[in-house]
Amino acid sequence: DAGITQSPRHKVTETGTPVTLRCHQTENHRYMYWYRQDPGHGLRLIHYSYGVKDTDKGEVSDGYSVSRSKTEDFLLTLESATSSQTSVYFCAISEEYEQYFGPGTRLTVT
Amino acid sequence: KQEVTQIPAALSVPEGENLVLNCSFTDSAIYNLQWFRQDPGKGLTSLLLIQSSQREQTSGRLNASLDKSSGRSTLYIAASQPGDSATYLCAAPGSYNTDKLIFGTGTRLQVFP
Repeated sequence: DAGITQSPRHKVTETGTPVTLRCHQTENHRYMYWYRQDPGHGLRLIHYSYGVKDTDKGEVSDGYSVSRSKTEDFLLTLESATSSQTSVYFCAISEEYEQYFGPGTRLTVT
Repeated sequence: KQEVTQIPAALSVPEGENLVLNCSFTDSAIYNLQWFRQDPGKGLTSLLLIQSSQREQTSGRLNASLDKSSGRSTLYIAASQPGDSATYLCAAPGSYNTDKLIFGTGTRLQVFP
């Protein structure tokens, strides 16, 4: 499973509140990614990181920010959650061009 | 812009059948393509990464092929089993020399006894 954990695994929050999701990996991978998965849209890349403090935007980055202060942790923040951000969020790492995924976080914004 | 399409969206077959899942992509300037499996409520499990130089990659009963000229990849599952029931996703890089993946919406496979 490439040593990837995500926390929390489930969260319900109210519109307008800030939310931070954590991705933690234990194998010192340089590349990390955040995706969201929605019915009818499949998986879409939100942000990615090529190393500590080196991040960039993906396909659907509006309303999201990320931080990576340590190799092992990649944080995804919703500054002010909206109902359209209700989704399942997956973290992934890349090793030799092959991506491996975490178990996901199911986020519901009410 | 890379677009990835998977057909059919759903497939139901009896146990023991050999089957083929299809994946097409619009930008053929890719150096690899990855197939995943996703069980309900779970994360994605990488099945096969096929490099553009390989044309085929095998793992157990799974065989993936890649034809860049036609913009197609196929995942062949031999002697299907009920445990193969899951959604199968393919993903291609958004463009050459990028690791940012574009995913298809998947084929939901059910194998019944």
